[in-house]
Amino acid sequence: DVKVTQSSRYLVKRTGEKVFLECVQDMDHENMFWYRQDPGLGLRLIYFSYDVKMKEKGDIPEGYSVSREKKERFSLILESASTNQTSMYLCASSLRGRNYGYTFGSGTRLTVV
Amino acid sequence: GIQVEQSPPDLILQEGANSTLRCNFSDSVNNLQWFHQNPWGQLINLFYIPSGTKQNGRLSATTVATERYSLLYISSSQTTDSGVYFCAVEGVGGYNKLIFGAGTRLAVHP
Repeated sequence: DVKVTQSSRYLVKRTGEKVFLECVQDMDHENMFWYRQDPGLGLRLIYFSYDVKMKEKGDIPEGYSVSREKKERFSLILESASTNQTSMYLCASSLRGRNYGYTFGSGTRLTVV
Repeated sequence: GIQVEQSPPDLILQEGANSTLRCNFSDSVNNLQWFHQNPWGQLINLFYIPSGTKQNGRLSATTVATERYSLLYISSSQTTDSGVYFCAVEGVGGYNKLIFGAGTRLAVHP
């Protein structure tokens, strides 16, 4: 069964820590995306990548960076975690030009204390 | 950027009832999708529907691109329909990235 896998379901980190969220897909998709989901705000795009080593800022990139060294893996990095980054983080992938192929991971609920 | 508004924000139904969820968007789109997020957080794609009408079992969707809205119909609702329904759009020249609405939270009671 094809899927998008996020490394952790729940994560608790301290303020100021550097945090890595990992996402791996096995569908050979070109596009990968990181969203955060907060109550009442829906999903907001943080960063996306349309190819290896390529990255584009989404709507809320501040405080985040990303890495895509291999096609199947897209990492989200919180350089210095803050309490306002407590959220649900969702990774997705899609084939280029085939948007109905969006597949989401099951999410990582991050709490920064 | 493009704005996506969903209504109603919350909906409570008795099992067997029908409902209509609405999505308005502020600009022309290449792509519109409806998703269902179950109570465990998993998002599932329901429809890819930039225009026209599609049906899948008890669910159907209609997008009127010229008037910038889409509707999701749920008939004979079941408790398993509970969760959050999201509408997401890709603007023209949008690099395949989807912009999501805030969602409609649906609770179906037995």
